[in-house]
Formats: sequence, C-alpha cells, structure tokens
Amino acid sequence: KAGVTQTPRYLIKTRGQQVTLSCSPISGHRSVSWYQQTPGQGLQFLFEYFSETQRNKGNFPGRFSGRQFSNSRSEMNVSTLELGDSALYLCASSLAGESYNEQFFGPGTRLTVL
Amino acid sequence: GEDVEQSLFLSVREGDSSVINCTYTDSSSTYLYWYKQEPGAGLQLLTYIFSNMDMKQDQRLTVLLNKKDKHLSLRIADTQTGDSAIYFCAETSASGYNKLIFGAGTRLAVHP
Repeated sequence: KAGVTQTPRYLIKTRGQQVTLSCSPISGHRSVSWYQQTPGQGLQFLFEYFSETQRNKGNFPGRFSGRQFSNSRSEMNVSTLELGDSALYLCASSLAGESYNEQFFGPGTRLTVL
Repeated sequence: GEDVEQSLFLSVREGDSSVINCTYTDSSSTYLYWYKQEPGAGLQLLTYIFSNMDMKQDQRLTVLLNKKDKHLSLRIADTQTGDSAIYFCAETSASGYNKLIFGAGTRLAVHP
C-alpha cells in the first residue's frame, strides 16, 4: 500500500507570493490533517479535512487555507507569504477519526520564503 | 489549556536503555503518542497508549503513564545507533482525535 505523498518536496518562494501544497492520502483514508513544523514553534496543527469538509482548525491566520477533493486528496494554500512561513509542512491521513485511527504522516514539503 | 513539555536532549551509550519523559496538561486527553522523526523524514508512529492504561510494552519499547502527575515516559531497551532521532510526545486535543498537540521533541543521540 502506498504511503502518504506530498508534492512538491521542496519549494522556494518570495515574500508576498502565494503557494499551494498537495497531499495524497493513503488509499481509503478519508481524513487529512496538516501541520506546520518550525524550529521555534515546533509542530502545530493547521487544520483537518474529512469528507471534503474542514472538521477542525488550529490557531493560524486566514492566510492559511485548505480544501479536500472528492478523492480525499487535499491541498493547502498560503497567501501573502511571510518570512515566518518558512517551515516543513506535514500532512497526515487516517481512516476516519471518530475513534482511534493511526495517523500516517507524509515526508513533508519544505517551504523556504525569501 | 493544552500543552506538552519534553526535555530537549538525551545522550546514551549504545546498548543502554533510554528513557524519554513528557508531561502534558490536558487531563481529558484520550490517547497519548510517541512519534519518531529522522533527519529529512516525516513522523513515524512508534506507539500509543490509551488514557485508561498504565503501561504498554511493544518489543523494545515500554510506555508508562502516570495520570495523576500527567507524566508519560518512553523507555527504549538496548538502544542502538539507529535509534538516534527526535522523539515527539503528543496528546489528542479535546476538540478532535486527529488534532494532536505535540511536545518540542527530544533529540536522542546514541554513541558507541
């Protein structure tokens, strides 16, 4: 079974630009969560999508948004990039989430904002 | 509030046991997890424990949970150089099973 895939793996953008990151969950998984990892703030939850609906949200500004498609693939978008948005963005997929289901993490997309 | 704290660094000799500690604040957390992250990689779930358990053992890994003190530990027996990585403790948020609150991570260095 293929794991969680994230594209692209590396990205360089400049301040003020916008960026879209993609996450393909494991086949059959309907929940996709996104996390931001930085040296200063550690791992922080961005949002979770389940059946094309945002089910949970972390404490990030509205510049961070996401969506999920009918095939469970998810994208996250960051608009008006700031230097502080440089981070490793991880997505995780799981079967459903009403009870315990293991979350499988992808390798991440490393975003550098110049 | 939801907060998870860990010590930042641990150094052990190969073959010894490693113990990584974590404290959490949310007593309503249902599950507590240990993840491993190697350089350039995502997170790998090592083990988890349900909040009504005190201990869980899985091969070389032993997880101990002290609910009264909100303290979680991960013991790695016979630590090998391949165990060198960053270990994250995480708890489920009260607002959803798939929202995890992570600690800052403990960097484990294993030396000969």
